Amino acid sequence: NAGVTQTPKFQVLKTGQSMTLQCAQDMNHNSMYWYRQDPGMGLRLIYYSASEGTTDKGEVPNGYNVSRLNKREFSLRLESAAPSQTSVYFCASSEGWQVAYGYTFGSGTRLTVV
Amino acid sequence: QKEVEQNSGPLSVPEGAIASLNCTYSDRGSQSFFWYRQYSGKSPELIMSIYSNGDKEDGRFTAQLNKASQYVSLLIRDSQPSDSATYLCAVNDDAGNMLTFGGGTRLMVKP
Repeated sequence: NAGVTQTPKFQVLKTGQSMTLQCAQDMNHNSMYWYRQDPGMGLRLIYYSASEGTTDKGEVPNGYNVSRLNKREFSLRLESAAPSQTSVYFCASSEGWQVAYGYTFGSGTRLTVV
Repeated sequence: QKEVEQNSGPLSVPEGAIASLNCTYSDRGSQSFFWYRQYSGKSPELIMSIYSNGDKEDGRFTAQLNKASQYVSLLIRDSQPSDSATYLCAVNDDAGNMLTFGGGTRLMVKP
């Protein structure tokens, strides 16, 4: 019973490199989310997908793109990494459009951009 | 901009005491409220949800909601060292499709 699986768990990038963070859930949830967490800043929403085929910007979308590949998978891409994108990235999913039941989080990806 | 505010702490309580964590929110349309626990280096874990004014109890945890005053709180009775973590308050937006998180309160329970 995996829940929400994120890969990779750790990554070091050089400024200007690109990478894709992968997220998959096996709970048949409709909605998926990408957050970043920085010290003292809490969790900030980057992008979300309310349902398969739709994506929307969150609070801090600049420098990121997303793809909702199917109902299970939601990826986050950094096209040209910057040191300001050093953070811990969490993927989450929820049962429906109305987040009445809260989120289930993945284990996170620790990204360092040098 | 919708805001969720928490005192960053650390809040230090002795083992066996009651820990009281508070959260205020700005969006009067919010309907769902959550408390997450996050251990250092781990992902947030849902521990309580509350939707109606009043108290909701689950074991040693009690969530309290007052929509008129726009605050939600979490009480932890008989605090244990294993409760030492950061507690995140989360509130849904009025459209109900995403959560906004507070910055978290770090709780330290001393033996």
